[in-house]
Amino acid sequence: EDQVTQSPEALRLQEGESSSLNCSYTVSGLRGLFWYRQDPGKGPEFLFTLYSAGEEKEKERLKATLTKKESFLHITAPKPEDSATYLCAVQARWSARQLTFGSGTQLTVLP
Amino acid sequence: EAGVTQFPSHSVIEKGQTVTLRCDPISGHDNLYWYRRVMGKEIKFLLHFVKESKQDESGMPNNRFLAERTGGTYSTLKVQPAELEDSGVYFCASSPPGQGGFYEQYFGPGTRLTVT
Repeated sequence: EDQVTQSPEALRLQEGESSSLNCSYTVSGLRGLFWYRQDPGKGPEFLFTLYSAGEEKEKERLKATLTKKESFLHITAPKPEDSATYLCAVQARWSARQLTFGSGTQLTVLP
Repeated sequence: EAGVTQFPSHSVIEKGQTVTLRCDPISGHDNLYWYRRVMGKEIKFLLHFVKESKQDESGMPNNRFLAERTGGTYSTLKVQPAELEDSGVYFCASSPPGQGGFYEQYFGPGTRLTVT
């Protein structure tokens, strides 16, 4: 069974204090790993897709990396507007297209 | 371009009643998915349509749930009769057509269902 574990569950940072979120996964053949951002009362908002170990993608203050067992979402010099829950999901080769989600990391950036 | 829309945004019903949720995917997206998050747990897959056909319904919890996508456009998810454990947030997502490969899924804002 595919599993996704995210850590920490919650993270509080001061504005400008860089950090990383972790997503560990177990999947029978990874087709892709997805990062989403979710604000309260809204649906997940797509950020990145990573396909293979060693791949990196960046968007503004966010950088996602992938290894064979985990993915990291690095946040550089965060701002209060980066506060949200960040979700990691995997798609297995065996599946049609279903995503298996982790429980998320709730990030709070204090001004 | 309009995103995925869902209706209603919130529904409160009594146990034993019926509720129908609606999802309108992004125009041109053949793939439509239903997910739900219950009791603060992870978002879980329910089913996947390709146009009007059910491609994968392995996540549907039981036969009280019925999903349809007539004409391959919008989709409905009916819960009948609703039970307390059905409370949660139901998300719809869509992705573009295409064989092989895969695409990111774009999510709607969700419908919060409360069964009392």
